[in-house]
Amino acid sequence: IQMTQSPSSLTASVGDRVTITCRASHDISTYLSWFQQKPGKAPKSLIYDASSLQSGVPSRFSGSGSGTDFTLTISSLQPEDFAVYYCLQYNSYPRTFGQGTKVEI
Amino acid sequence: EVQLVESGGDLVQPGGSLRLSCAASGFTFSSSWMDWVRQAPGKGLEWVANIKPDGSERSYVDSVKGRFTVSRDNAKNSVYLQMNSLRVEDTAVYYCSRSLNAWGQGTTVTVSS
Repeated sequence: IQMTQSPSSLTASVGDRVTITCRASHDISTYLSWFQQKPGKAPKSLIYDASSLQSGVPSRFSGSGSGTDFTLTISSLQPEDFAVYYCLQYNSYPRTFGQGTKVEI
Repeated sequence: EVQLVESGGDLVQPGGSLRLSCAASGFTFSSSWMDWVRQAPGKGLEWVANIKPDGSERSYVDSVKGRFTVSRDNAKNSVYLQMNSLRVEDTAVYYCSRSLNAWGQGTTVTVSS
């Protein structure tokens, strides 16, 4: 299953609402996660099952969607949110990631 | 607190072998699926393999099938990735993960002559 994220990069300001989309080439139900990765660091899980927030993740992060179209929303961008974001499908093997979305100032 | 600590990364020549280890703590290892994910320099994330809690099922991305083997030792709370016939394109940071929701810090594998 191919996962296509858009945009590949975006420029935003602190306080902005940011939306990243991920499209699957086949129906994956809600077997989708979102990750945040900062330079030189391991990925951090934000959302699982398309819309469930991982423990400890700020509530400004939210996920939605099912089937083939999914969205990660950051309601009010904070300085620590500038990073690369990836989606991942775990409906079938091999697990596949989107190509990433870089969120820049 | 969940902790995953990878080790074993090194510089190796094409065609060589390497065994990565991941020591886990802070959760019930014997009940957890474990994954390996890699990231080539300047590139995105690529899922590599995973293994069922009891070790009875393993899955791999096509590019490593027949060359890499994932295994685990529940008595030692550890998961391993045996990598044979290494290629230049296997150069990456390799992350160990518990069910893709908790991650280690990664270990670097460089395949070069």
